[in-house]
Amino acid sequence: EVQLVESGGGLVKPGGSLRLSCAASGFPFNSAWMSWVRQAPGKGLEWVGRIKSKGGGETTDYAAPVNGRFHISRDDSQNTLYLEMNSLKTEDTAIYFCSWSGLNYFNSWGQGTLVTVAS
Amino acid sequence: QSALTQPASVSGSPGQSITISCTGTSSDVGGYNYVSWYQQHPGKAPKLMIYDVSNRPSGVSDRFSGSKSGNTASLTISGLQAEDEADYYCSSYTSSITYVFGTGTKVTVL
Repeated sequence: EVQLVESGGGLVKPGGSLRLSCAASGFPFNSAWMSWVRQAPGKGLEWVGRIKSKGGGETTDYAAPVNGRFHISRDDSQNTLYLEMNSLKTEDTAIYFCSWSGLNYFNSWGQGTLVTVAS
Repeated sequence: QSALTQPASVSGSPGQSITISCTGTSSDVGGYNYVSWYQQHPGKAPKLMIYDVSNRPSGVSDRFSGSKSGNTASLTISGLQAEDEADYYCSSYTSSITYVFGTGTKVTVL
């Protein structure tokens, strides 16, 4: 059974940093493309970014609002995906979901972790 | 990248069919056969319902079907059931090597 468990969310001040983790199991993580998607309270889904597998060069792509502030990485030895978030803004407040991505879709999702950016 | 446009709400009676539209541009929906659809119940994670315009993952009911014409994709739910009441989002790959989601549609079963 595919399992994705996010952690690391919490309250952070504007301008601060936070690192989210996503523990994966039940599928071949080392060959999987992985994404982060967020959802602001009461709003729709927004793609944050993606990392390809090592075989894909571990290439990362990001949405324009987070490019240069957020960084996605992975540790295949630990089956864990990370999202490093810097220079956080109030508009980054959202539930952050990690997802096992198919070539161009989001196959399985975790339950999400809430990040609140407020002073 | 602007969100894809979906109707805010669609409703239908049990047993009826409903269709949700998802309108983008030639740089996303119209340019690639990479449209997917997600169902999200309140407080839950999204669930993949359709990928690559019209393909259903295993385990998803065949009452769900997808199609595309030009810059608009559609999700049809036939034989509407109470459990189908949820929010639905489309998504597309874009020419910027990113992904964009739709604005979301709330489906109500009357």
